[in-house]
Amino acid sequence: GQQVMQIPQYQHVQEGEDFTTYCNSSTTLSNIQWYKQRPGGHPVFLIQLVKSGEVKKQKRLTFQFGEAKKNSSLHITATQTTDVGTYFCASAVYSSASKIIFGSGTRLSIRP
Amino acid sequence: DAGVTQSPTHLIKTRGQQVTLRCSPKSGHDTVSWYQQALGQGPQFIFQYYEEEERQRGNFPDRFSGHQFPNYSSELNVNALLLGDSALYLCASSLGTGRNEQYFGPGTRLTVT
Repeated sequence: GQQVMQIPQYQHVQEGEDFTTYCNSSTTLSNIQWYKQRPGGHPVFLIQLVKSGEVKKQKRLTFQFGEAKKNSSLHITATQTTDVGTYFCASAVYSSASKIIFGSGTRLSIRP
Repeated sequence: DAGVTQSPTHLIKTRGQQVTLRCSPKSGHDTVSWYQQALGQGPQFIFQYYEEEERQRGNFPDRFSGHQFPNYSSELNVNALLLGDSALYLCASSLGTGRNEQYFGPGTRLTVT
């Protein structure tokens, strides 16, 4: 079945450094959603990308959807302690828009 | 504007027992999805309800069942609990299909002993 792989599993950065997490699939994705989950919290929707090659920005966050719609990335510029958490990508299964597959997440920790 | 609510917050059950978890969607949302999240893992899709019917199901056994009520609220039932069912159970609501953004509730932490 459709799977979404996410790397790295963990990333520990100095505050002010950049951070990137990648999401990859062997099959074409219909869309890609990104969520952030703070420690002890629940996933919070960040953004959705649906078009090939799409790039969206939210302040220090940049989201990209690959040209082949098989990969995506989330880049954070100049991390802050408020960025701590686990970032998940998710996609609706192509054959059924109702089934959502989540990646395993990248946990970001930051040294002040 | 009320967000997604879930009850109870925490639950401890014994192996073999049955449990019912509840979810109220965000105001205006008609679709409810349930997820199981084990520690350190991403949420795993259990099923989705729309118009009081199960629209799609993930790779979970029949011990996991659900229901959606006319007011769009939903229940997740798990029978014959196993130790491996211990997890955070998340409810997410959305409008229409799974290609729309989902709003998650705070979750129910289930511990099976």
